[in-house]
Amino acid sequence: DIQMTQSPSSMSASLGDRVTITCQSSQDIGNNLIWFQQKPGKSPRPMIYYAPNLASGVPSRFSGSRSGSDYSLTIGSLESEDMAVYHCLQYKQYPYTFGAGTKLELK
Amino acid sequence: VQLKESGPGLVQPSQTLSLTCTVSGFSLTDYSVHWVRQPPGKGLEWMGVIWSVGSTENNSALRSRLSISRDTSKSQVFLKMNSLQTEDTAIYYCTRYFDFWGPGTMVTVSS
Repeated sequence: DIQMTQSPSSMSASLGDRVTITCQSSQDIGNNLIWFQQKPGKSPRPMIYYAPNLASGVPSRFSGSRSGSDYSLTIGSLESEDMAVYHCLQYKQYPYTFGAGTKLELK
Repeated sequence: VQLKESGPGLVQPSQTLSLTCTVSGFSLTDYSVHWVRQPPGKGLEWMGVIWSVGSTENNSALRSRLSISRDTSKSQVFLKMNSLQTEDTAIYYCTRYFDFWGPGTMVTVSS
């Protein structure tokens, strides 16, 4: 199975900060990765598709990038509504696998 | 587009879980539906998929416990998983290829 190593597991940041969350894949997954945002008691919301592409309705302060087997989700200027858990998912190979999640909190 | 999961809420250990995902706003013959679960306070686990053509793939970690099927005339997808244990306690989600999600249904495995 492809392992998705997500870091950090949690972080706190201030409003306006630039925040980056990373997933590292154990095998080549190309750009077959989705980033999700999940707020308490809610279903996951897709944020970034196929590595760099923003999902519909996602603010432009979110961006995705790839460097080799490292995939990053960046929030350019943190807003209060961005506090959530972020998950990555690889859909290159069965079984599809998620990262363990990153909990983003306000400092 | 909407998806909604329904199921028993409480299942006894060793019993079989049956969940239904009822969809609207799209056809099951055009889109795949995946099942994802999330134990309380933990991460997400992909369980399996039924593709638009009707074929299925399951997570090997669930071995032969899981089956996914559908009734296209009723716009429903079904999940059945047997030999439930306490570690199967989770919120179960159905999702249309990860773009639209149901609200999830909590399943507790307990005697």
